Amino acid sequence: RKEVEQDPGPFNVPEGATVAFNCTYSNSASQSFFWYRQDCRKEPKLLMSVYSSGNEDGRFTAQLNRASQYISLLIRDSKLSDSATYLCVVNTNYGGATNKLIFGTGTLLAVQP
Amino acid sequence: DTAVSQTPKYLVTQMGNDKSIKCEQNLGHDTMYWYKQDSKKFLKIMFSYNNKELIINETVPNRFSPKSPDKAHLNLHINSLELGDSAVYFCASSQAPHKASDTQYFGPGTRLTVL
Repeated sequence: RKEVEQDPGPFNVPEGATVAFNCTYSNSASQSFFWYRQDCRKEPKLLMSVYSSGNEDGRFTAQLNRASQYISLLIRDSKLSDSATYLCVVNTNYGGATNKLIFGTGTLLAVQP
Repeated sequence: DTAVSQTPKYLVTQMGNDKSIKCEQNLGHDTMYWYKQDSKKFLKIMFSYNNKELIINETVPNRFSPKSPDKAHLNLHINSLELGDSAVYFCASSQAPHKASDTQYFGPGTRLTVL
């Protein structure tokens, strides 16, 4: 079983649609959670952190359910510029005084005009 | 000003050659990383260095050797390149890997193609 699992998609949605991505992780000791965005042939960039209480940044809402080991990202009012791969990322203790990021394989979103 | 930079951006080479990729960060971070993203887009950590000391060393062939001359630079040397080494290699840096809230900043990537 992969440490972080995501539906690879693609999700093809029209502009203005609401779309939700889900992610599950296997290590119950994982400490923190993120969504990164990666555009085609570019580097990953942090989109937002994910907190148990849920957090919102404009059109983006992230949720964490520690009991179910489940993370979600909701995008409202999709824009063409939202087209990208969304990577679910889990920060896990490596041992000693450091952590490491475990990346999901990403979910591809294509917003259509 | 590029926060994390890598050279070269593209690298095409023959099997069996030895090549190096360089990475520099101007963010003042203490920790740097190398990741490999394969053809299936799976991004996986290879190494991390904290202030020139190796901290994370995942199961990577010993043909791969990271070198950190100072905390702002982390280079990756690959010996005897194989077809399976073809991938995009990303460098990253962060300030506090011991903190759960630590954010990593990625370089633009080096696309390595082994023929």
